[in-house]
Amino acid sequence: EAGVAQSPRYKIIEKRQSVAFWCNPISGHATLYWYQQILGQGPKLLIQFQNNGVVDDSQLPKDRFSAERLKGVDSTLKIQPAKLEDSAVYLCASSLELGFYGYTFGSGTRLTVV
Amino acid sequence: AQSVTQPDIHITVSEGASLELRCNYSYGATPYLFWYVQSPGQGLQLLLKYFSGDTLVQGIKGFEAEFKRSQSSFNLRKPSVHWSDAAEYFCAVGARGGSQGNLIFGKGTKLSVKP
Repeated sequence: EAGVAQSPRYKIIEKRQSVAFWCNPISGHATLYWYQQILGQGPKLLIQFQNNGVVDDSQLPKDRFSAERLKGVDSTLKIQPAKLEDSAVYLCASSLELGFYGYTFGSGTRLTVV
Repeated sequence: AQSVTQPDIHITVSEGASLELRCNYSYGATPYLFWYVQSPGQGLQLLLKYFSGDTLVQGIKGFEAEFKRSQSSFNLRKPSVHWSDAAEYFCAVGARGGSQGNLIFGKGTKLSVKP
């Protein structure tokens, strides 16, 4: 079974630029999550989708972050404009449905804002 | 609010020695409990999880964890550590009901293994 795919693996941008990350969940997984992991901390949930609808985006900084999952499969997370404090690893995860069964993480995208 | 505390930021053990990583949580009821491992540049790999039933949970790579309700703890153990176990370990809790799927992570414990 293929895992959760994320790209790119690494990205370096200057502050105030924009950036986008892509995630392809495990086939058949209805629920998709984006986490932010700042160096030295555990991951923190940014947004959770069930199919193509948002379940929870309470911790997403909506003034600069946006995410979509238009067809209920792939998802993109965008930051515009980026700040230095956005430097982190962005992890995508998917699960069969709402809950914790089959919960699988991708390898993440490491973002450095300079 | 839910929270997870991993008191040890960094632990060093000798290869072959036993290991215990501590995890305490704050939650109004019994949560779902998880331990993940993360190697440098990698994503999170699930070691084990507790949903209900037997409070001693067996996981992959020879790890086990014990849920102790009275202490709000879910400590991870391994009887004999291998050099390949060097990594960062995260304890996490998940809510029952409500925002199902949201994992709350601790800050992690970095494990170093001495030869």
